Amino acid sequence: QVQLVESGGGLVKPGGSLRLSCAASGFTFSDYYINWIRQAPGKGLEWISYISRSSNMIYYADSVKGRFTISRDDAKNSVYLQMNSLRAEDTAVYYCAREEYDMLHIYFDLWGPGTLVTVSS
Amino acid sequence: EIVMTQSPGTLSLSPGERATLSCRASQSVNSNLAWYQQKPGQAPRLLIYGTSTRATGIPARFSGSGSGTEFTLTISSLQSEDFAVYYCQQYNNWPPYTFGQGTKVEIK
Repeated sequence: QVQLVESGGGLVKPGGSLRLSCAASGFTFSDYYINWIRQAPGKGLEWISYISRSSNMIYYADSVKGRFTISRDDAKNSVYLQMNSLRAEDTAVYYCAREEYDMLHIYFDLWGPGTLVTVSS
Repeated sequence: EIVMTQSPGTLSLSPGERATLSCRASQSVNSNLAWYQQKPGQAPRLLIYGTSTRATGIPARFSGSGSGTEFTLTISSLQSEDFAVYYCQQYNNWPPYTFGQGTKVEIK
């Protein structure tokens, strides 16, 4: 079954850390670029990070740059998001999404169900 | 960063009616625009990319149009399963990829 499944969310205090995982199955994981996208409660979608095949290119949104680190382990078919110095405004459902290409077009064709991160004292 | 603005915020329609959702970019994104549908408690689902190409399995009642800075998602005849929130997203200038704030299509 082709799927992505996130894990690692939970309640953390401001200033704390959390590591999210995104496990892939049913497809050749190493062939794909992966993104993390989050959604604060009742709000819209915010892209936060991207990792290319072989980790050659990594990008972050300004809102998380310097605090979050994306990585991947193709042997484990997984992508990770290490989140440090967490703030209340990082509270959100975090999705990982597979990036696909068609000619010059890019789209997120496969999403995980998400994992909720709550930052609160 | 390209800012995406969707309108209206909420669209109240009856099943069988036509829905027209708008998305505007703060600068040209050419045809590099996608649309996603999200239902409560679920992850977003890809509907359209390249402004007008339907993703695999998406019904023909969904269509996209536009170019540059003005885009439209049309649902020709609303079905009960179409009531959801819809997001546009540009991938012309990235990072960052940017999304609109969403349009909720609700039952009137």
